[in-house]
Amino acid sequence: EPEVTQTPSHQVTQMGQEVILRCVPISNHLYFYWYRQILGQKVEFLVSFYNNEISEKSEIFDDQFSVERPDGSNFTLKIRSTKLEDSAMYFCAMGQGGYGYTFGSGTRLTVV
Amino acid sequence: AQSVTQLGSHVSVSEGALVLLRCNYSSSVPPYLFWYVQYPNQGLQLLLKYTSAATLVKGINGFEAEFKKSETSFHLTKPSAHMSDAAEYFCAVSDRTGNTGKLIFGQGTTLQVKP
Repeated sequence: EPEVTQTPSHQVTQMGQEVILRCVPISNHLYFYWYRQILGQKVEFLVSFYNNEISEKSEIFDDQFSVERPDGSNFTLKIRSTKLEDSAMYFCAMGQGGYGYTFGSGTRLTVV
Repeated sequence: AQSVTQLGSHVSVSEGALVLLRCNYSSSVPPYLFWYVQYPNQGLQLLLKYTSAATLVKGINGFEAEFKKSETSFHLTKPSAHMSDAAEYFCAVSDRTGNTGKLIFGQGTTLQVKP
C-alpha cells in the first residue's frame, strides 16, 4: 500500500493550546478522513472530507475541531483548545468503499 | 445505523493452532467489510476486504475471511498461528450506499500467541 505520512508522530501540548495535525497523502485521492483512538479503545470516526468540504462528522467533532486541505496536498486537523480527553492517537485515512482505505501511521497527542 | 460487534476482546492461541476472530455486522444492505491489524504503537494495516466479489477473501500473512450474509458475519481465520501474529485486530464496515465512505470499527480483539 502507498504510504501516508502524518506529522508529528508525537505531540505533547498544554491544555487549552491549539494543535494542528498534518497528513500528507502520497497518491491522489478524493475522500479523506480523520479517526481517533483513545488508548486501549476502538478506532472512532471523526470526520470525512470530500471536494474540499466536510461530508460527514461525528458527535465527537464539535466546534473545537476543524479540517482543511489548504494547499491541495496537506490535510490538516486542528483542535482549537485542547482538553485532557483529547489525548489519543489520531489517524488520517483516504479512500472509499470497495477501493479500500489507506491509513497513516498516526499522531499520538498527549494533553497535559 | 451500521454497527460492528467483535466477540471476544481477547483471544489466546498456541503457536501453530487455528486462529478464529469473530465479527458480526449490522447493516440494512450488505456492506463493504474489512479486517485491519494493529501492532503495538503502530498504525492500521489492511489485512483483507470484502467488496462483493468472492465470499471467501484471502488476505496477507495467511489470513482469510468468509462473508456469510445469512449470519451477518465476517470471521477472520488463519490455519496456523505464528508468534508474529500477536496484535490487535479490528473488523470494520463501510456503507456501500452512502457517499461519505466512513468506516465503523469494532471494539477490537487482542490476539495472544503462546509458544
